[in-house]
Parts: sequence; C-alpha cells; structure tokens
Amino acid sequence: ELVLTQSPGTLSLSPGERATLSCRASQSVRSNYLAWYQQKPGQAPRLLIYGASSRATGIPERFSGSGSGTDFTLTISRLEPEDFVVYYCQQYGSSPQTFGQGTKVEIK
Amino acid sequence: EVQLVQSGAAVKKPGESLKISCKGSGYSFTNYWIGWVRQMPGKGLEWMGIIYPGDSDTRYSPSFQGQVAISADKSISATYLQWSSLKASDTAIYYCARLPHIVVLTNNLFGGYFDYWGQGTLVTVSS
Repeated sequence: ELVLTQSPGTLSLSPGERATLSCRASQSVRSNYLAWYQQKPGQAPRLLIYGASSRATGIPERFSGSGSGTDFTLTISRLEPEDFVVYYCQQYGSSPQTFGQGTKVEIK
Repeated sequence: EVQLVQSGAAVKKPGESLKISCKGSGYSFTNYWIGWVRQMPGKGLEWMGIIYPGDSDTRYSPSFQGQVAISADKSISATYLQWSSLKASDTAIYYCARLPHIVVLTNNLFGGYFDYWGQGTLVTVSS
C-alpha cells in the first residue's frame, strides 16, 4: 500500500503568511495522480488541487500545488482567516487509493 | 449547480442493517462515477469504493470488499451504501462524492479524485 505522510501535523502561522504543506509518498505516485483537499470543521472536504498542480474550479489563486514522484507540496501564498483548517492529500494512481493523515493549519 | 444530498444521521445497534443514500442533481447523473469515503471520529479519510450509476458497475477498495455494499438507482439519481450487520467500529461520517475522471488501476480497479461532495451522513452504532 502506498502510504502518504503529511508534515507537519500542525502548522502555526499568522494571517498573511505563506504556508507550505508537505505530502511525502512511500513510493512514486504514478503520473502525479495526487490531489489536495481542504476540510473545515463539520463540513465535507473541498477539492483544491488535482494532478499535483491543477487548481480546481473556483479555487483562489493563492492555493498552488507542486511536486512529482514522492514529494508534493501545497502552498498557500497568503493565509486568509478562512484558511486555518485541515488539509489532506490523496493519491489515486495505485490501489488502494490512500489519503494522508492531514495537516492542521492553526492561527499562531 | 451540482449537488449531492445525503440522507440524515442514523443511530443503530450492533448487528442491525442500514442503507444510506446520496442523491445527485445538476448534472448527468448516469455519466459520472460516485464514490463513498469514510471518516471515523477525529480521523482522516478512507476510500471505500465507487459505482457507475449508468450500469451499476461497482469497484471496492480491498479493505471494504465484503464489508459494505454499494448500489445505485439511476431512475431517481441515487446511490446507496449498505451494511447487513453493523459493528461499533462502523461509527463514522460517510461521504459520497463525484469523480470527474477515472484512472484505470491494477487488478481491474478504478480510481480518481473527488470534485463534488455530499454533506456527509453520521452513522452511530452503539448498544
């Protein structure tokens, strides 16, 4: 099984700062089939990025994805108050498809 | 507007059966795979399986094969997740979500990411 490890577990930053979230795979993610989701408390996840770097419809430009192989990054260029929530990565290139354990972005 | 609306919360006892639903609207329901995702209390996300409502072709994640049943009724744009005998460990929030594109994996399995999600159904199993 391809394991995704997200780091850090919690990221403490201030509004306006840049956030860099990491998702590392235990083996190469085929064709960069990696997605990022945002989940607010009590809500369903929301797709941010697919194919490692393609922004989903309606997602603000401050969210960007990068990486390939085993190392992927979600960057939030300038944190807005509503961005302080949990983020998950997901690989869909091999079975079983797996999610990372999540990174919580909290207000410092 | 694409919408997936799930049935309400359920409280059941161990050993009971349950079927929860997810109804789609605002798009061609029969042309997109729908998946189910589990989120146990305070935990992350788990990919359970997917179904193509057009012909009810269903693929399960190995961890969930034989544990749940996914079905669809295209006449009413609905998909279902069903248990025949619930366990306390089935307590979780269950989400349905649409897959805009399918990736062919090994072992005759399909995969993909999810672009639209239902609001979630909380299933509580307790004696």
